[in-house]
Amino acid sequence: QKEVEQDPGPLSVPEGAIVSLNCTYSNSAFQYFMWYRQYSRKGPELLMYTYSSGNKEDGRFTAQVDKSSKYISLFIRDSQPSDSATYLCAMTHTGGFKTIFGAGTRLFVKA
Amino acid sequence: DARVTQTPRHKVTEMGQEVTMRCQPILGHNTVFWYRQTMMQGLELLAYFRNRAPLDDSGMPKDRFSAEMPDATLATLKIQPSEPRDSAVYFCASGLARQAKQETQYFGPGTRLLVL
Repeated sequence: QKEVEQDPGPLSVPEGAIVSLNCTYSNSAFQYFMWYRQYSRKGPELLMYTYSSGNKEDGRFTAQVDKSSKYISLFIRDSQPSDSATYLCAMTHTGGFKTIFGAGTRLFVKA
Repeated sequence: DARVTQTPRHKVTEMGQEVTMRCQPILGHNTVFWYRQTMMQGLELLAYFRNRAPLDDSGMPKDRFSAEMPDATLATLKIQPSEPRDSAVYFCASGLARQAKQETQYFGPGTRLLVL
């Protein structure tokens, strides 16, 4: 079993839809949770960064962490075609440097 | 606009040849990571440097891969000899580590390697 599980998709939604992306993990020591966005033929770029449990909002993006369930989510409101990309969850534990990435979910937002 | 740069962007080579990939981390960052990305395995950590010292290279096949940081502005990843299964996109990322906390990693554009 992988430390971080993420459905690779693809996920196809119409423009304006609310998108929900999720990851589960097995290591309870993880404290830092991140979402990266990767456009085709580009490197991943950090989208959201959350410490421990709770919600964090940034514009149309909301990250949620539920440590009791070992489950993290990224919500995208009013999705746009420019949101079409692969979204990777990532996590690391306090004092650790090794970031474990999910497989990434490919998202297509249709105009 | 500070960015991680990687060269070459694309490399096609024949099995058995040496491949060298280079990375220039963002000025002031003290950590450098090398990752490999494939469809099957996703993003895998190969090596990690902090203040130019290698702290972890457990993800690298030791017999053919080597990673170095000759100076603070250059990190290299070498494959010798290369094999078709090494075909992948290789990313370099840099970041700032303060005490026990690793800050955000900034990724380069990657080197797309094809070994025939």
